[in-house]
Amino acid sequence: AQSVTQLGSHVSVSEGALVLLRCNYSSSVPPYLFWYVQYPNQGLQLLLKYTTGATLVKGINGFEAEFKKSETSFHLTKPSAHMSDAAEYFCAVSIATLGRLYFGRGTQLTVWP
Amino acid sequence: SQTIHQWPATLVQPVGSPLSLECTVEGTSNPNLYWYRQAAGRGLQLLFYSVGIGQISSEVPQNLSASRPQDRQFILSSKKLLLSDSGFYLCAWNQGTSNQPQHFGDGTRLSIL
Repeated sequence: AQSVTQLGSHVSVSEGALVLLRCNYSSSVPPYLFWYVQYPNQGLQLLLKYTTGATLVKGINGFEAEFKKSETSFHLTKPSAHMSDAAEYFCAVSIATLGRLYFGRGTQLTVWP
Repeated sequence: SQTIHQWPATLVQPVGSPLSLECTVEGTSNPNLYWYRQAAGRGLQLLFYSVGIGQISSEVPQNLSASRPQDRQFILSSKKLLLSDSGFYLCAWNQGTSNQPQHFGDGTRLSIL
């Protein structure tokens, strides 16, 4: 069975500080991994994805994530937080051929001025 | 380019009333289509997915149903709404295989009184 665990339902950082949002997955086969961002009362927007190839993936808005197979992790980072980064972030894994996604419960990021 | 539309954006319904939420995708053909519900603090729950016209798979037992009368149209329905049906409903699509990300609509906020 596939599952996604996001450690920390709430993360708070100061503007300019490092953002680190944690995601671990369980899968019996190599996964495809995604990070999404959701602003209030909006749908989910794709930040980045890992399918194959380079394990360090760069996305939009300065975010990046690294796939570490040995740790079954796909943590999301950004070197310097901006106020506009305040949102909810979801990690997701896809294995099945139909493209179904399994989502984590989300992490709410708060950025303090 | 591809776009996805959901309507209405917000809806307030009394308990026991019917429901119809509509989702359409433009700019692609034969997409996979998905309905999710997002309840406060509970992440995203996959309700239904469809890989083609008339093909609907249900993930959880409930009083909701889905239909796909046309290739790029996905409808979520209920004959009698319950209080527990309140939430934020999201439609999504992707193309084909599991390494393709899902793209989300802007959602419908459903409140049951």
